[in-house]
Amino acid sequence: EAGVTQFPSHSVIEKGQTVTLRCDPISGHDNLYWYRRVMGKEIKFLLHFVKESKQDESGMPNNRFLAERTGGTYSTLKVQPAELEDSGVYFCASSPGLAGGEQYFGPGTRLTVT
Amino acid sequence: QKEVEQNSGPLSVPEGAIASLNCTYSDRGSQSFFWYRQYSGKSPELIMSIYSNGDKEDGRFTAQLNKASQYVSLLIRDSQPSDSATYLCAVNSNTGKLIFGQGTTLQVKP
Repeated sequence: EAGVTQFPSHSVIEKGQTVTLRCDPISGHDNLYWYRRVMGKEIKFLLHFVKESKQDESGMPNNRFLAERTGGTYSTLKVQPAELEDSGVYFCASSPGLAGGEQYFGPGTRLTVT
Repeated sequence: QKEVEQNSGPLSVPEGAIASLNCTYSDRGSQSFFWYRQYSGKSPELIMSIYSNGDKEDGRFTAQLNKASQYVSLLIRDSQPSDSATYLCAVNSNTGKLIFGQGTTLQVKP
């Protein structure tokens, strides 16, 4: 069984540009989560999809961040326009069944905003 | 007070010893608890989950949960140099989102 995949693995963009991150969850996992780790800080929750619906987006920092999961399969996270403080590693995770169960993480996308 | 607290370490143990990693959490409504291992530059890898008070053993790993004390621990028996990594404690209140601690760095010396 393939794990969670993310693309790209690394992105370097200038302040003000747009970047789109992609996550493909484990097949059959209805729950998809986005997290972010800023250097020196703990991993922080961004949002949670159940199939194509946003269940919880309380962790999204501001309206420069837009997440979608059309069709309930893969998800994208767009940052527009990017700011310096958006730099960090963005992880995607997925889990089957009910929320509260085990989450499996992808390799992450390292975003550097210069 | 942080929601999930861990000693950042580093915790250094000799090869073959027991490594003990600790975590406290503030939300009494928390229902599920996880330990992830993260090697430098890699993604968090789930190694243990625990949902009820007591001990849960899986190979060399034992997770312990005490909800009254709001305390979770991870014991690694017969520590190996390959166990050297950052161990992340994560707590879920069954809403879905995980709350992570900052992680404890473990160094196992040959």
